[in-house]
Amino acid sequence: DTEVTQTPKHLVMGMTNKKSLKCEQHMGHRAMYWYKQKAKKPPELMFVYSYEKLSINESVPSRFSPECPNSSLLNLHLHALQPEDSALYLCASSQVRGEANEKLFFGSGTQLSVL
Amino acid sequence: EDQVTQSPEALRLQEGESSSLNCSYTVSGLRGLFWYRQDPGKGPEFLFTLYSAGEEKEKERLKATLTKKESFLHITAPKPEDSATYLCAVQGNNDMRFGAGTRLTVKP
Repeated sequence: DTEVTQTPKHLVMGMTNKKSLKCEQHMGHRAMYWYKQKAKKPPELMFVYSYEKLSINESVPSRFSPECPNSSLLNLHLHALQPEDSALYLCASSQVRGEANEKLFFGSGTQLSVL
Repeated sequence: EDQVTQSPEALRLQEGESSSLNCSYTVSGLRGLFWYRQDPGKGPEFLFTLYSAGEEKEKERLKATLTKKESFLHITAPKPEDSATYLCAVQGNNDMRFGAGTRLTVKP
């Protein structure tokens, strides 16, 4: 199983809503990532979890709150988002963060629209 | 700061018309250069990792090469199903940094 599964695939939410994005992998990877990608732009790193501990938070606004319940699961909790937060949110995993061959496996993403 | 620049931004080819995509980079202590393919609305899919200048990797119609300053993705006799955005990424002392990609369209 070389798959990273993300749910939901599409999400429309209002600025006062609370929602969560979910990500799961069963490859035994110990590093998991959240990226944000706007149309025709490169993926931008938001958060990195290494061995279930948050190791990188790239100055992301507090309306985004990550959670790593165990080594296979990664959540992104959303609250009071702004329309400019509309984007494709990608989850990725790698065997271990910081290794030379840190090949990332990406999920299909959640296309988020904030109204 | 690590930087990755890809060119061209967009490329339209006829089926069978070979070409190359460029990825120029500056990075502190290159540990790997990666090529990914991304289809619309999907996550990037890993293609190649290159570690040192002179290295080459091949997969079907794709061949990636690496120098000290840039990498090329050569596409030989492309087919319409090769249409996608091709992303280059570098990993140095910091986390992986992506380029903006080249959007490739192959017309039948």
